[in-house]
Amino acid sequence: NAGVTQTPKFRILKIGQSMTLQCAQDMNHNYMYWYRQDPGMGLKLIYYSVGAGITDKGEVPNGYNVSRSTTEDFPLRLELAAPSQTSVYFCASSYPDSGTDTQYFGPGTRLTVL
Amino acid sequence: AQTVTQSQPEMSVQEAETVTLSCTYDTSESDYYLFWYKQPPSRQMILVIRQEAYKQQNATENRFSVNFQKAAKSFSLKISDSQLGDAAMYFCAYNIWVGSRLTFGEGTQLTVNP
Repeated sequence: NAGVTQTPKFRILKIGQSMTLQCAQDMNHNYMYWYRQDPGMGLKLIYYSVGAGITDKGEVPNGYNVSRSTTEDFPLRLELAAPSQTSVYFCASSYPDSGTDTQYFGPGTRLTVL
Repeated sequence: AQTVTQSQPEMSVQEAETVTLSCTYDTSESDYYLFWYKQPPSRQMILVIRQEAYKQQNATENRFSVNFQKAAKSFSLKISDSQLGDAAMYFCAYNIWVGSRLTFGEGTQLTVNP
């Protein structure tokens, strides 16, 4: 049981480039989330999904897109990278139907846009 | 809008001593969840303890316990018998039932001195 996995761990992008941050979970959780953490700050929600085929915006969605074609995977797409997107990105998952809403986090992806 | 405030950017404690980290929050909801997450230098977000707002009894997990004061909207974390491995950034977080986003405080950096 690997939990929540994220790839890559580190990435440097040039302004205007695109990339996809991968996230997968093997706990059969229906809810998945993408957060970003700026230096010295707490995490802020970018997008979330309550199940395959269903996604919704969070607090800071501009410049990002997501899709959820399977229960296991929730990739985050950056189309035109900007320096303001330099951050650490965390994916998380949860299973509220179990009676608890604890979110389990992946190890994070550190992204630098130059 | 819900907000979470951690008024102590930094705290320090001697090994084997006890330390309390403060957290206050603002919400109009009556049912919700509160969490403390630990983020060591590895950046992994690790759940320390959680509290359901409808429960009057304070949650405990080994050396970690909370003081939940619902009327005062206060949720402090007490770490007993502090260990060097407890050194990390600690985040207080809040969410409403049914998989809503976590709202994080800005964190408290805990140093444990040998």
